[in-house]
Amino acid sequence: QVTLKESGPVVVKPTETLTLTCTVSGFSLTNARMGVSWIRQPPGKALEWLGHIFANDAKSYSPSLKNRLTISKDTSKSQIVLTLTSMDPVDTATYYCARSSGAYYPYFDYWGQGTLVTVSS
Amino acid sequence: EIVLTQSPATLSLSPGESATLSCRASQSVSSYLAWYQQIPGQAPRLLIYDASNRATGIPARFSGSGSGTDFTLTISSLEPEDFAVYYCLQRNSWPLTFGGGTKVEIK
Repeated sequence: QVTLKESGPVVVKPTETLTLTCTVSGFSLTNARMGVSWIRQPPGKALEWLGHIFANDAKSYSPSLKNRLTISKDTSKSQIVLTLTSMDPVDTATYYCARSSGAYYPYFDYWGQGTLVTVSS
Repeated sequence: EIVLTQSPATLSLSPGESATLSCRASQSVSSYLAWYQQIPGQAPRLLIYDASNRATGIPARFSGSGSGTDFTLTISSLEPEDFAVYYCLQRNSWPLTFGGGTKVEIK
């Protein structure tokens, strides 16, 4: 059974760095045609793709966040980590991790439940 | 970066009616476009990939068409569980981008 679960702080202060972890099960992060993206959704607004990490550890980032965003993975722990620096209230959103794999690659076939992060002092 | 524009923003329909949703790309994405459904409080669900292929388990009332810059999602006869927000996603080039969404609401 494929699952993804996001974890991390519920509230962060402006200027702080956000670190979120996506813990996966039911599949391997090292399989070819396998990757994980981070996607966010501000309250009441549209989905925004943030970045992606490929099976070979290559990354792709949204140009609007490229200077602030880092995605990494720890295959031994089956985890993908998002780090977003200089947080601002406009970064308040539900953050999702989502898998790209197999026949649907690179579309997202499984998603985590999402975690709401609020930026507030 | 490819911009996806969805229209209309909101579609007000009754159960049993047909829904037609549009997604237009700022440049060609070939057939590399997907449609997602999002019910409030839930993660999105993949409906259609590569413009016209239904994902596993998706009912036949959902169909996708188009190529290049103009795409359509059609729901042939709306069921109560179809009232949701729909997003398109292009994977023709990185960065991946989503459209702004179309909300299908009960009239």
